[in-house]
Amino acid sequence: GEDVEQSLFLSVREGDSSVINCTYTDSSSTYLYWYKQEPGAGLQLLTYIFSNMDMKQDQRLTVLLNKKDKHLSLRIADTQTGDSAIYFCAESIPLDSNYQLIWGAGTKLIIKP
Amino acid sequence: NAGVTQTPKFRVLKTGQSMTLLCAQDMNHEYMYWYRQDPGMGLRLIHYSVGEGTTAKGEVPDGYNVSRLKKQNFLLGLESAAPSQTSVYFCASSYQAGLAGVTDTQYFGPGTRLTVL
Repeated sequence: GEDVEQSLFLSVREGDSSVINCTYTDSSSTYLYWYKQEPGAGLQLLTYIFSNMDMKQDQRLTVLLNKKDKHLSLRIADTQTGDSAIYFCAESIPLDSNYQLIWGAGTKLIIKP
Repeated sequence: NAGVTQTPKFRVLKTGQSMTLLCAQDMNHEYMYWYRQDPGMGLRLIHYSVGEGTTAKGEVPDGYNVSRLKKQNFLLGLESAAPSQTSVYFCASSYQAGLAGVTDTQYFGPGTRLTVL
């Protein structure tokens, strides 16, 4: 079935770039998403990319999509302590006449001083 | 705009007890969802609704029931709680018109932490 995989943890130093990776299996995905979950809170949409794009940049965030390898990454430049959170990758795939989100398990980003 | 709200925030149940989780959204979204989040796993869809009066099963529907009597509310019921239902439950909503070029961004509530003893 459909699957989205992410590493469970990533540790980076404050000020460095963080790169969170995600692989997916369903080639019919339309949109791919990155959501952020801060401790004790719900998920918030961070950014998304349409499946026919290779890259999207939004301030400190850069999303890269390699559709051939089914690989999505999120780069956070100049990582700050406020970026500490769990980052979820999700792909949107057709389901009957609707769409369904398939979620990764989340990558916990740990910031070292 | 409150967005998506959930009540209660926390709850402890004994095995066999029942309860209802309430989700409300004020964005006039057609689609609403209930997920559960367990450690080391992605969100798993329990049930969803594509509009008032409709519900459909998701990936893990067993042991749960839902109702969408009003467009803005989506209720999740546990008739006889089991320890395996200990989890964090998230409600979400979206426009999700299902049309090409329209994103199906989901907006999440803050979650309900449920413990079943």
